[in-house]
Amino acid sequence: GNSVTQMEGPVTLSEEAFLTINCTYTATGYPSLFWYVQYPGEGLQLLLKATKADDKGSNKGFEATYRKETTSFHLEKGSVQVSDSAVYFCALPLYSGGGADGLTFGKGTHLIIQP
Amino acid sequence: KAGVTQTPRYLIKTRGQQVTLSCSPISGHRSVSWYQQTPGQGLQFLFEYFSETQRNKGNFPGRFSGRQFSNSRSEMNVSTLELGDSALYLCASRSTSGPTYEQYFGPGTRLTVT
Repeated sequence: GNSVTQMEGPVTLSEEAFLTINCTYTATGYPSLFWYVQYPGEGLQLLLKATKADDKGSNKGFEATYRKETTSFHLEKGSVQVSDSAVYFCALPLYSGGGADGLTFGKGTHLIIQP
Repeated sequence: KAGVTQTPRYLIKTRGQQVTLSCSPISGHRSVSWYQQTPGQGLQFLFEYFSETQRNKGNFPGRFSGRQFSNSRSEMNVSTLELGDSALYLCASRSTSGPTYEQYFGPGTRLTVT
């Protein structure tokens, strides 16, 4: 099956700093890629997605580009806010090619933004 | 449109007991997946149901089982609970009409085994 490796935290930044969270994947073919965010005491929320190579997903100031050459999907934000403090997960389908569902996730990156 | 709902939100059980968790997907979503989240192992896929059939299963012992009903609601059951089963159990649903695998998650059920 597919797999994902994600930088682990915690990552501590000051407000308005630039953010990069690294994510690399191993997959058959070119499956969709996702970033999810989890706030304390809550489930996961889909932050952004990319469905094919060179696609850029974006939402709430966050961006990630599907790079097939480097098998990466790094999450970036130009200026983080305290409210961005959360745990971020990179994910992709367990198996490429459709059919049965299920996602595989990175270990998660705990992001802490200090005022 | 209402999101994914899970009941109960919190549960405390004793070793050896069994537990049933419930998940109601987003209206119109026919695929339901379950995940276990622990600090040590992270997020792990348990199983996925579509049209009342289990299509995919993760690497968990047979004590973990599930089912899906005709209205797409799903339940998962854990028998003979162990301390290591303490976790946040997340349910996710997906529309099967789109080209992507994006899943929408519920708030989870926090299970504590004592």
